[in-house]
Amino acid sequence: QQQVKQSPQSLIVQKGGISIINCAYENTAFDYFPWYQQFPGKGPALLIAIRPDVSEKKEGRFTISFNKSAKQFSLHIMDSQPGDSATYFCAASKNAGGTSYGKLTFGQGTILTVHP
Amino acid sequence: SQTIHQWPATLVQPVGSPLSLECTVEGTSNPNLYWYRQAAGRGLQLLFYSVGIGQISSEVPQNLSASRPQDRQFILSSKKLLLSDSGFYLCAWSVWAGLDTQYFGPGTRLTVL
Repeated sequence: QQQVKQSPQSLIVQKGGISIINCAYENTAFDYFPWYQQFPGKGPALLIAIRPDVSEKKEGRFTISFNKSAKQFSLHIMDSQPGDSATYFCAASKNAGGTSYGKLTFGQGTILTVHP
Repeated sequence: SQTIHQWPATLVQPVGSPLSLECTVEGTSNPNLYWYRQAAGRGLQLLFYSVGIGQISSEVPQNLSASRPQDRQFILSSKKLLLSDSGFYLCAWSVWAGLDTQYFGPGTRLTVL
């Protein structure tokens, strides 16, 4: 029930195209859903995050869509650029109240390659 | 602003040798601290987390241990490394009270031969 399932494992997109990465979760107690971007040899960096009180959040070319009833959320990268080539991780956590201490459960990652 | 440091950046160790990885955070007080391991091509596995000095919780049984001797210092150790300990080790911090956003350090690449 703690799993977050991410797909696809890898994705190849042409420059200017739309990249879409999907995640599904089981634990309905999750209430925070961040996406992290990781370049080779670097630590993950927070990209964008959403809470279940909204269905969509947009920051620049990056949009999270959230479907609470389906327990799914996705990352859309518009006008994908070669510089977006990285590994993307979705994650989820429960409210820090109680004993969760904000522990994140990560998906397995998606390797995105944007061809020029 | 807050900064998180990890060292060393890379490490090659023989099987059976000890390990000590260090993580320090600047610019914040009483952070929650986390150690993750990332195997090649895999996701992030939470190893330990700490909500205060001397308070360590283990997520995965293994031959690793963690300590928090100071408020903003987190150390990952092993007495005897195994081949399976190879990986990319990441330290992260979040605001006290476990509020959600975690910020990651640059990582340590450990190769056990």
